[in-house]
Amino acid sequence: SAVISQKPSRDICQRGTSLTIQCQVDSQVTMMFWYRQQPGQSLTLIATANQGSEATYESGFVIDKFPISRPNLTFSTLTVSNMSPEDSSIYLCSVELTVATQYFGPGTRLLVL
Amino acid sequence: GESVGLHLPTLSVQEGDNSIINCAYSNSASDYFIWYKQESGKGPQFIIDIRSNMDKRQGQRVTVLLNKTVKHLSLQIAATQPGDSAVYFCAENMRSGGSNYKLTFGKGTLLTVNP
Repeated sequence: SAVISQKPSRDICQRGTSLTIQCQVDSQVTMMFWYRQQPGQSLTLIATANQGSEATYESGFVIDKFPISRPNLTFSTLTVSNMSPEDSSIYLCSVELTVATQYFGPGTRLLVL
Repeated sequence: GESVGLHLPTLSVQEGDNSIINCAYSNSASDYFIWYKQESGKGPQFIIDIRSNMDKRQGQRVTVLLNKTVKHLSLQIAATQPGDSAVYFCAENMRSGGSNYKLTFGKGTLLTVNP
């Protein structure tokens, strides 16, 4: 496994503002992923972030709303832009350490008022 | 569309009993199936995976069974302990363009272990 950290761990934000979430892993990985988990729900993939290329977004998620950076093999950021209360969720990053196996960070708990 | 789902949303067991959490999947092209445990306030924790060409895989106190005929996956936890209380997710992993894999999660089962 690997040590995966996220910052911030939680935040309360006002609608219309933006929040950037950081994900750091202690080893170099090619594939990083960002998920959303709404209260009491399962995980939904937002996008796949490979180092050196543009992020690939899933249906229902767009770059303008969730811009992603992947500057190197150990770090990625997800920005939640122009937030509304509907964006209140847990945001999780994951990394693929072995083929087809993902390990998750602790999550960022976001509340939008 | 393709989906991964669970039969039981909640499961309550006595400490020391064995637990069985079930999962149905619909995509026969999935290569791997993974079980995750998510405790309150934490991210999902990898428990065990099984490749699609296997029927059974055992770990420490856990066993995963895969029945491809009926597209059914189960997680068995032996001698369940209070620390096993969590939400358990099954997920299927399938190639999505080139060599990349994409995880699709089921709804989750809340396991409560009573002392």
